[in-house]
Amino acid sequence: AQKVTQAQTEISVVEKEDVTLDCVYETRDTTYYLFWYKQPPSGELVFLIRRNSFDEQNEISGRYSWNFQKSTSSFNFTITASQVVDSAVYFCALSVAGSARQLTFGSGTQLTVLP
Amino acid sequence: DAGVIQSPRHEVTEMGQEVTLRCKPISGHDYLFWYRQTMMRGLELLIYFNNNVPIDDSGMPEDRFSAKMPNASFSTLKIQPSEPRDSAVYFCASSLGDGGREKLFFGSGTQLSVL
Repeated sequence: AQKVTQAQTEISVVEKEDVTLDCVYETRDTTYYLFWYKQPPSGELVFLIRRNSFDEQNEISGRYSWNFQKSTSSFNFTITASQVVDSAVYFCALSVAGSARQLTFGSGTQLTVLP
Repeated sequence: DAGVIQSPRHEVTEMGQEVTLRCKPISGHDYLFWYRQTMMRGLELLIYFNNNVPIDDSGMPEDRFSAKMPNASFSTLKIQPSEPRDSAVYFCASSLGDGGREKLFFGSGTQLSVL
């Protein structure tokens, strides 16, 4: 069975600081997908990124970057120069073989960015 | 384009009453998912449909829960009779392609309180 661990329950930073959200996953399958979703105070989850297990290239999108390392089974998310609008709960998720019935969400990290 | 639309946003009911949650997925999406979010259990997949056909309902907690998708633009999740432990946020999500491989688009959720 697969598992996603987000050990950081809550993180608080001051605006403009960089912050990294950790995600560690477990699976014995060689084909899998990793996701990050953001849940702002309004409630709905918003997709941020998807990675498959064959693509270890790191990605940068504006102030957001993701570091995928199969060697450590981690898929960490960094926000550079954080802003108050980044305050949200962030979920890491893993699916095996691209199957929705195998999609597992982590417990989430509550990020608070203080002005 | 409109996103996933859920109604009602909030529902307060008394134990034993029937509750019906509604969802309109994004037009053209072929997968629809019902999730439940609680503090204790996080995000749980209850059931999902592909082309209006239920594919996996193993996450439905018990027979009190039922879901239907009579057409491509409408789905319902019904709880009868409701119990206090059903109190949670219920999300509907849709995707184009399997949500274990493709990004999910979530609705704003229904906050259900069973007294």
